Formats: sequence, structure tokens, C-alpha cells
Amino acid sequence: SYELTQPPSVSVSPGQTARITCSGDALPKQYTYWYQQKPGQAPVLVIYKDSERPSGIPERFSGSSSGTTVTLTISGVQAEDEADYYCQSADSSGTSHVVFGGGTKLTVL
Amino acid sequence: EVQLVESGGGLVQPGRSLRLSCAASGFTFDDYAMHWVRQAPGKGLEWVSGISWNSGSIGYVDSGKGRFIISRDNAKNSLYLQMNSLRVEDTALYYCAKDIWFREHWPKGEDYGMDVWGQGTTVTVSS
Repeated sequence: SYELTQPPSVSVSPGQTARITCSGDALPKQYTYWYQQKPGQAPVLVIYKDSERPSGIPERFSGSSSGTTVTLTISGVQAEDEADYYCQSADSSGTSHVVFGGGTKLTVL
Repeated sequence: EVQLVESGGGLVQPGRSLRLSCAASGFTFDDYAMHWVRQAPGKGLEWVSGISWNSGSIGYVDSGKGRFIISRDNAKNSLYLQMNSLRVEDTALYYCAKDIWFREHWPKGEDYGMDVWGQGTTVTVSS
């Protein structure tokens, strides 16, 4: 079955730039979505269509794509950005399936 | 305000059934696909099932095929998940989520993303 691979953890100091990657063979053919989940809360969409930002999401969140890897970039990381981040894409085989990456824990030092 | 409210979770024995519901408000429900996503304790997100705006397209996670049935009632703005033959490994917080794309107007082929999430309902399968 189709899989998306994320690093388990990323750590940065406040004000620095955090980059979280997501890899998958079908990513060149499908858009990727990114979700932020804080403890005890439901996930929140922070990036859609690889690089678009929903209304209300701070400009420091951005997304990019290159081949089979997509990247969520958080510029000028703030303490409130500490959370789990998940990438998600659709299975390109036409099965109406959706796949999530395993998640990345962002720690703000 | 766009809102999704799940209900129907609880404690159930292995092999039994449970029906989850999701009540939607604040948007035109029958214009969007809907999804169920679960999260086992301490684990990541797992997509469980999805249904298109007109119920014409349905998908399930492999572990749910033959056991789970997703449905929707557009007249009642409601989404459902019938879960049969429940297993201990089905224990999780189950979220209802709205798809971002209007009536499958995908920018480049079949695509799904979730822009609104409920707070979830907990399912515990244990003897």
C-alpha cells in the first residue's frame, strides 16, 4: 500500500526555521496537505495544494514540492508552533483512498 | 460557523458493532465529500473511510473493508460509520472531517484534503 514518510522529530530554537519533509512515490502526481495537531486538540489544516495557506494560518507557514518530496517550512518558529505535523495525500491509483504520513513532532527548544 | 459534531462512541466488546454519527452545520453539506479519520492512543492519524458528495464514490482503509460501512444522509446533514466485528485494534478517537474540494472539482485528478474537523468521539474495544 502507498506510504508517506516523515521524520519522527524535528527540533529548533525559537526564531529559527523548521523544515519538515514528507516523501512518497506518488507525490509528483498528487497534491499534499499538512495538518498541525496540538495535544488534546483536533488537527488543523495549515497547508493545502502543496503550498497554499488557508485563511487564518500565519504567513510563517509555507509549503513546497520537489519531485517525490514535499516540505513544510515554518519560518521564525514560535513556542506555540510546538505540535505534531502530518502530511497527507490521496492515493493516485484511483481507489478513493487517503494516506497520512506517520507524523513529525516539532519541538521548540 | 462551520461545525462537525461526532457522537456514538463508547465501550464495546470485541466482535460487537457500533454506529458513529457526525452532524454537520454551517456549510452546504451535500456539496462536499466527507471522511472518517481515527487516532489510536499515542499514535498518528489514520484515514478510515471517505464518501463523495453524492455517495457515488466510497473508500475504506484495508483493515476496515468488509467490516465498516460509511454512509451519509444529505437531507439530515449527517455522516455515519457503521462498524461491525470490532477489534481491540479499532480502539481510537474517531474524527469526522469535511473535504476541501467542492463536488470533486479537483485541480488535477482525484484529490482529497480536509479543511474542517470535529472534536472526535472515542471508541474503546475491550472485553
